[in-house]
Amino acid sequence: AQSVSQHNHHVILSEAASLELGCNYSYGGTVNLFWYVQYPGQHLQLLLKYFSGDPLVKGIKGFEAEFIKSKFSFNLRKPSVQWSDTAEYFCAVGVSSGSARQLTFGSGTQLTVLP
Amino acid sequence: NAGVMQNPRHLVRRRGQEARLRCSPMKGHSHVYWYRQLPEEGLKFMVYLQKENIIDESGMPKERFSAEFPKEGPSILRIQQVVRGDSAAYFCASSRQGNEQFFGPGTRLTVL
Repeated sequence: AQSVSQHNHHVILSEAASLELGCNYSYGGTVNLFWYVQYPGQHLQLLLKYFSGDPLVKGIKGFEAEFIKSKFSFNLRKPSVQWSDTAEYFCAVGVSSGSARQLTFGSGTQLTVLP
Repeated sequence: NAGVMQNPRHLVRRRGQEARLRCSPMKGHSHVYWYRQLPEEGLKFMVYLQKENIIDESGMPKERFSAEFPKEGPSILRIQQVVRGDSAAYFCASSRQGNEQFFGPGTRLTVL
């Protein structure tokens, strides 16, 4: 079974600081990778996804993520965070094995951006 | 707005009662997934359904929990004889096919 690790449970940054959130997964086969964001009081929204091709993926709101297959990692980055980026961020892995379509989520990283 | 709809948004039940959570997928989506988020934890997969079929229920507790997605109407997650440990946020997601899932706002279940 696959698993996902997000190493940082809570990250606090000042506005304009650069962001990198770590995500590592364990699964030996082909995976699809996702970052979701949950703003306070709102539902999960897809930030970006990787299915195949260019391992550097650009998403919404200036976020990007890089898939490094050899490290089983899919870290999320943003060059300059804003106060409005305060939210919880979830990394997720999806596999297509037989009838399986489930996503496996990490435990989440709470990002607080100070104005 | 044709997003994933869930109701109720908040549900309070006493121990031993039944909880019914509803999910209407996005228009054109025939795949529905249920996840549970316990406090301080990430989402955990429960069940994957297509119309009238349970495809994968590997994440469902063996007792008291059931799910359905009938030909007509929303998907239902049913929890019988709720206990305090069932208190959580329950999220539904839908997709056309593959893994790109769109999530609803969730139902927060509180068991007194």
